[in-house]
Amino acid sequence: AQSVTQLGSHVSVSEGALVLLRCNYSSSVPPYLFWYVQYPNQGLQLLLKYTSAATLVKGINGFEAEFKKSETSFHLTKPSAHMSDAAEYFCAVSDGNNFNKFYFGSGTKLNVKP
Amino acid sequence: DAGVIQSPRHEVTEMGQEVTLRCKPISGHDYLFWYRQTMMRGLELLIYFNNNVPIDDSGMPEDRFSAKMPNASFSNLKIQPSEPRDSAVYFCASSLAPQFSYNEQFFGPGTRLTVL
Repeated sequence: AQSVTQLGSHVSVSEGALVLLRCNYSSSVPPYLFWYVQYPNQGLQLLLKYTSAATLVKGINGFEAEFKKSETSFHLTKPSAHMSDAAEYFCAVSDGNNFNKFYFGSGTKLNVKP
Repeated sequence: DAGVIQSPRHEVTEMGQEVTLRCKPISGHDYLFWYRQTMMRGLELLIYFNNNVPIDDSGMPEDRFSAKMPNASFSNLKIQPSEPRDSAVYFCASSLAPQFSYNEQFFGPGTRLTVL
């Protein structure tokens, strides 16, 4: 079965600093990988997705993620944090045997300090 | 497009009452998913439908939970009888067929359920 581990339930950075949110996955077959963002009292919004094309994936709001098969990782980065980036971020992997079934990580809450 | 629509946004009920959560997927989407989000368990897939047919309900916690999709534009999730441990945020999501979207799921705003 697939699983997703997000290291750090809370991450705090200063405005303008690098954002790094970690995601490791386990999958027996090449996966599809996703990062979603959830703002307070809202649903999840797709940031970016990896679908076996380029290993470096660019998403919305300046975020990007790199798929590293050897490390089974899909970490999310942004060079310079903005106050509006404060939210909860979820990594998800789809089941390689059933691409409709997603497994979500436990989420990382990003706090951006002025 | 209006996106995925869920109603109500908030529901407060008493233990033992029936609760019905509603979802309207994005027009043209073939798949509909119901998720539950809690602090303890995170986001869990409860059930999903393809072309109105339930495909996988292995995440439904127990027989008190049921979900239907009578047509392509509507689904409901019922809990009967409700219990305090059912308190959570319930999300509905929809997606196109995989060959068109790599399974990107579009989420509704959620229904926050509180069972007293």
